[in-house]
Amino acid sequence: EPEVTQTPSHQVTQMGQEVILRCVPISNHLYFYWYRQILGQKVEFLVSFYNNEISEKSEIFDDQFSVERPDGSNFTLKIRSTKLEDSAMYFCASRLGTGQRTDTQYFGPGTRLTVL
Amino acid sequence: AQSVAQPEDQVNVAEGNPLTVKCTYSVSGNPYLFWYVQYPNRGLQFLLKYITGDNLVKGSYGFEAEFNKSQTSFHLKKPSALVSDSALYFCAVNRAAGNKLTFGGGTRVLVKP
Repeated sequence: EPEVTQTPSHQVTQMGQEVILRCVPISNHLYFYWYRQILGQKVEFLVSFYNNEISEKSEIFDDQFSVERPDGSNFTLKIRSTKLEDSAMYFCASRLGTGQRTDTQYFGPGTRLTVL
Repeated sequence: AQSVAQPEDQVNVAEGNPLTVKCTYSVSGNPYLFWYVQYPNRGLQFLLKYITGDNLVKGSYGFEAEFNKSQTSFHLKKPSALVSDSALYFCAVNRAAGNKLTFGGGTRVLVKP
């Protein structure tokens, strides 16, 4: 069964450094998402991406964040200058379409980001 | 704005007993409702969803959920719990044709042998 994959599984970085989190969505899916979960807190929406552009973003998703689909398979989240409060589990998700049968978002295993 | 509440942080149940995980929601318009499960060191796995139609939705691993519009609830149920059902369960809502999922805080289920 196709699944969303994410690399790396764990990323440790120093405060102020740039990180890129990578995701490979399910191959025929058209909508892509990033969510994050700070330890002990809710899963929070960051950004959605469709047709090579951001379709919606949350207040969390400020100028330090960017997303890109550099080729036909990868979807990346870049944090330009990491802060301690960026430490969280980051989940990528993808969705086939917007109809009733295609509206489910499928999640990857997550990347745990630790900012020191 | 949309929101989800899972009133119980943890639910303990004996193996073989029925399991219920509660969820209430708030959303403008018609809701799309989802349950996901998270096992240790794993991602969020889709269990089931309600979009329209029958209020009782059946999903993976013997789970089902009942949509109740008047009570704005979408409780997850399983008639006979297994030890392997021990995990973290998340309820999520999206408005119809909407984009982002809004999650509840999660309920940890512990099934004891």
